[in-house]
Amino acid sequence: GDSVTQTEGPVTLSEGTSLTVNCSYETKQYPTLFWYVQYPGEGPQLLFKVPKANEKGSSRGFEATYNKEATSFHLQKASVQESDSAVYYCALSKGGYQNFYFGKGTSLTVIP
Amino acid sequence: GALVYQYPRRTICKSGTSMRMECQAVGFQATSVAWYRQSPQKTFELIALSTVNSAIKYEQNFTQEKFPISHPNLSFSSMTVLNAYLEDRGLYLCGAGTGGGTLYFGSGTRLTVL
Repeated sequence: GDSVTQTEGPVTLSEGTSLTVNCSYETKQYPTLFWYVQYPGEGPQLLFKVPKANEKGSSRGFEATYNKEATSFHLQKASVQESDSAVYYCALSKGGYQNFYFGKGTSLTVIP
Repeated sequence: GALVYQYPRRTICKSGTSMRMECQAVGFQATSVAWYRQSPQKTFELIALSTVNSAIKYEQNFTQEKFPISHPNLSFSSMTVLNAYLEDRGLYLCGAGTGGGTLYFGSGTRLTVL
């Protein structure tokens, strides 16, 4: 079946260090891949999306490459800040909102 | 940009009573609205998908009798939780779609049931 698996949290990092949140997906079709970020007390916000294989998405210093061969979409940031503390969700869409799948989320805490 | 307003932000209701939440899309046409419930463990459960001019499709374990949804136009949707009980607690999220495959979410309505 279709699914998204991501790094289990919580993840705690010091400010200025690098971040990688692994995301792997499973589907028989060619999905669009998303990263969402959810701050405390808010709904998920779209960080970026990548509709095509081998392309990269980026926003606010975060980036991820759609790797079709490895079925991965890992989120990276070179230097995290305290304001990046949030829950990050990897998601895929096969087209049609009924086919929108979220990972379980990775909680990130950045300490100053 | 695409914005989704959801209200109320928080609501408390007595066990067995009902509450209604609303979702408004601003800056784009919400051809589809997906209602989710987010558990305390942060996972998302899709309740139903509403597409303008089509029947609302409910996921397994969720019914129209319990979670009636209205989606009368391209900017507004509402959902009611009827006869709420403890197991209905959680953060209810409205995700509005433009047809381009992206869902934009509101801030959610947190339901507490006493």
